Amino acid sequence: RKEVEQDPGPFNVPEGATVAFNCTYSNSASQSFFWYRQDCRKEPKLLMSVYSSGNEDGRFTAQLNRASQYISLLIRDSKLSDSATYLCVVMEYGNKLVFGAGTILRVKS
Amino acid sequence: GAGVSQSPSNKVTEKGKDVELRCDPISGHTALYWYRQSLGQGLEFLIYFQGNSAPDKSGLPSDRFSAERTGGSVSTLTIQRTQQEDSAVYLCASGEAPISYNEQFFGPGTRLTVL
Repeated sequence: RKEVEQDPGPFNVPEGATVAFNCTYSNSASQSFFWYRQDCRKEPKLLMSVYSSGNEDGRFTAQLNRASQYISLLIRDSKLSDSATYLCVVMEYGNKLVFGAGTILRVKS
Repeated sequence: GAGVSQSPSNKVTEKGKDVELRCDPISGHTALYWYRQSLGQGLEFLIYFQGNSAPDKSGLPSDRFSAERTGGSVSTLTIQRTQQEDSAVYLCASGEAPISYNEQFFGPGTRLTVL
């Protein structure tokens, strides 16, 4: 079983749609959680950290369920510029980051 | 300010040759990571440096891989006797401690092709 699992997609959605990505992780001792965004042939960039209470940044909402070892990312009012691969990232003891393989999002006009 | 830089941006080598990849982290960042990303795959952790502590080498796939970080700044990743399965994009990232709360900033990567 992979340490961090994501649905690879692709998710093809129209502009303005709401889309949700899920991620599960296997190590219950994981400490911190993040969503990164990676554009085609570019380096990953931090989208947002994920806090236990859930957090929102504009059109993006992230939630964490430690009991179920589950992380989600919700994107509202999708824009063409949101098209990218979204990487679920889990930090384990010792500051080791474990990346999921990513979920591809394609927003179409 | 300047971000993380990596060189070379592309490297083509023949099977069996040694290669050295370089990473210049953001000035003042004490944490430095190396990852690799194969085509269509997620990032695979290779090695982590934090300040003067012993590096976490648990992700290095074989003893052909090694890395060092001189003076707490520049890092080099060396792959000896390269194999075709080593072909990937090698990404370096740096960050401020404590890394659990701070963003990792990635360099543009080195695309390694082993023929």
